[in-house]
Amino acid sequence: GEDVEQSLFLSVREGDSSVINCTYTDSSSTYLYWYKQEPGAGLQLLTYIFSNMDMKQDQRLTVLLNKKDKHLSLRIADTQTGDSAIYFCAETLNTGFQKLVFGTGTRLLVSP
Amino acid sequence: DAGVIQSPRHEVTEMGQEVTLRCKPISGHDYLFWYRQTMMRGLELLIYFNNNVPIDDSGMPEDRFSAKMPNASFSTLKIQPSEPRDSAVYFCASSVDRGSEKLFFGSGTQLSVL
Repeated sequence: GEDVEQSLFLSVREGDSSVINCTYTDSSSTYLYWYKQEPGAGLQLLTYIFSNMDMKQDQRLTVLLNKKDKHLSLRIADTQTGDSAIYFCAETLNTGFQKLVFGTGTRLLVSP
Repeated sequence: DAGVIQSPRHEVTEMGQEVTLRCKPISGHDYLFWYRQTMMRGLELLIYFNNNVPIDDSGMPEDRFSAKMPNASFSTLKIQPSEPRDSAVYFCASSVDRGSEKLFFGSGTQLSVL
């Protein structure tokens, strides 16, 4: 199937690290993505990782990819209240056009 | 560039009425997508266009839904007649080319059908 699964909710305290997890289905996905959605806004591309990589770091963000287990994670270091949002992982399905399939989204709440 | 522009931001209508949602993609982007977001079903791809031509509309729920892209800078999503179950946030997104899945989303239209 096309289900990309995420936990629905994560709550952390400001300054802590956040880890958002995702499992995907298509082992042939070329790229895997993390999008961020702030209240009342559209999704914004946060970061992405090419499928032949295990890890990608971008400032406070670290993406880990375990292709064997089809598991993707996003770690946010030193989480700030401004990081409160919904985070979506997405995979590409190779159906002729590389269709982007989004996960259910994880709502991250950062408390002071 | 101002990004992907959608209008209206909010739409409240009564069941049976026609609803038209509008989108202006980022200039130079060849692909345009319409998504629907609901709590129950998450983000669903409804239809996408390449160079103004509809490529895949398999996500369009019913014949009540139609989408057009008369030119490179404008697209509409129409629901006629609307039903309460159509209530959702509708997003338009665009991307540069087929090899890029890096979508740029508009702010969405919050549709409420009473």
